[in-house]
Amino acid sequence: IAGITQAPTSQILAAGRRMTLRCTQDMRHNAMYWYRQDLGLGLRLIHYSNTAGTTGKGEVPDGYSVSRANTDDFPLTLASAVPSQTSVYFCASSDDPDRGSGYTFGSGTRLTVV
Amino acid sequence: GQNIDQPTEMTATEGAIVQINCTYQTSGFNALFWYQQHAGEAPTFLSYNVLDGLEEKGRFSSFLSRSKGYSYLLLKELQMKDSASYLCAVRDSNYQLIWGAGTKLIIKP
Repeated sequence: IAGITQAPTSQILAAGRRMTLRCTQDMRHNAMYWYRQDLGLGLRLIHYSNTAGTTGKGEVPDGYSVSRANTDDFPLTLASAVPSQTSVYFCASSDDPDRGSGYTFGSGTRLTVV
Repeated sequence: GQNIDQPTEMTATEGAIVQINCTYQTSGFNALFWYQQHAGEAPTFLSYNVLDGLEEKGRFSSFLSRSKGYSYLLLKELQMKDSASYLCAVRDSNYQLIWGAGTKLIIKP
């Protein structure tokens, strides 16, 4: 793999079910992020991790949890899905915020909660 | 609160020049980014401004005025493949990225 891999690509999920979105990077970036993108809105940060072993809450963390057991993996879990969590989810990473190289994004997971 | 404004949609002609504006109000300023996002795909990094002035990168240039809270992305010699959404994002003094909703650019032959 090269860059960031997200899985699944898309998913239809029944409300109330638990689901984990997977994100793996092979660039050894320290920082990783989970965003959701909804029509007409900017990308909104759900959770982030500045380095392995640490996580933080973003703008819209409710209903989501993350873990960062190692540098490469940053899974996002929806404990009990609700229809308002229907969105496109992007995982991203960056190596050094001071370098301005920007974020590298995964290809996204399109989630529909019914 | 924190806010980034950019036009929702713009139309331009192949071969022409287009300027996409972005104004921002954030908790401090660290840097401004522009990303390109084709429909159904992930955003990809285009440019980065920290100081006032113009940064040129091939057909794309980005300008920043920190005192005015203003940036623009200039695309020259437009090609059909430039049809995409262009996202403006500001990194505030807490190193958080604030994103605009994006400008959908439609290129016509």
